[in-house]
Amino acid sequence: SQTIHQWPATLVQPVGSPLSLECTVEGTSNPNLYWYRQAAGRGLQLLFYSVGIGQISSEVPQNLSASRPQDRQFILSSKKLLLSDSGFYLCAWSVAQGWPSSGNTIYFGEGSWLTVV
Amino acid sequence: GQQVMQIPQYQHVQEGEDFTTYCNSSTTLSNIQWYKQRPGGHPVFLIQLVKSGEVKKQKRLTFQFGEAKKNSSLHITATQTTDVGTYFCAGPDSNYQLIWGAGTKLIIKP
Repeated sequence: SQTIHQWPATLVQPVGSPLSLECTVEGTSNPNLYWYRQAAGRGLQLLFYSVGIGQISSEVPQNLSASRPQDRQFILSSKKLLLSDSGFYLCAWSVAQGWPSSGNTIYFGEGSWLTVV
Repeated sequence: GQQVMQIPQYQHVQEGEDFTTYCNSSTTLSNIQWYKQRPGGHPVFLIQLVKSGEVKKQKRLTFQFGEAKKNSSLHITATQTTDVGTYFCAGPDSNYQLIWGAGTKLIIKP
């Protein structure tokens, strides 16, 4: 079965410090990968998605970046965090479009709580 | 662009009362999905509806997909404390990326 791991689970970072959140998926090949952000009590905002190694699409302008160095690894980064970057970050995956069992269902990781102070 | 509107934003109910959340898309959807996020947790897939007029049940939860495939609802009968959380609907756009509703938070009154 497929699993998704995301870490760290929580972190408190000072303004201006760098960020790295990592996510790996097991049990599937060539998944679509996603980074979402959720502000406290709010909905889901898609930040980045990737359909393959080195292929990153950004949904909103921001001081965050994403990379996919391996098929099942997705990294969210920032060089200098802002207070407004605080939130709940969720990595997710779905079966690649076109597979018979696809249908865009999204499977989320446990999430990472980021507090910028 | 394509939008998915979800109402209400919050619903307070006494335990044992029913709960309903509604989802409306600005365009026809190929399918619609529902997710549940418990407090402090991550969204978890509940169900996908594909056919026009489709109705699916999961124990006390009833999901409907409208005839025009532009709206959907989730109804919970006789809510329990385990139902607490935020319920999201989502439908794919033309690029197969999910467009999410803002979610409805179910709160059980003490």
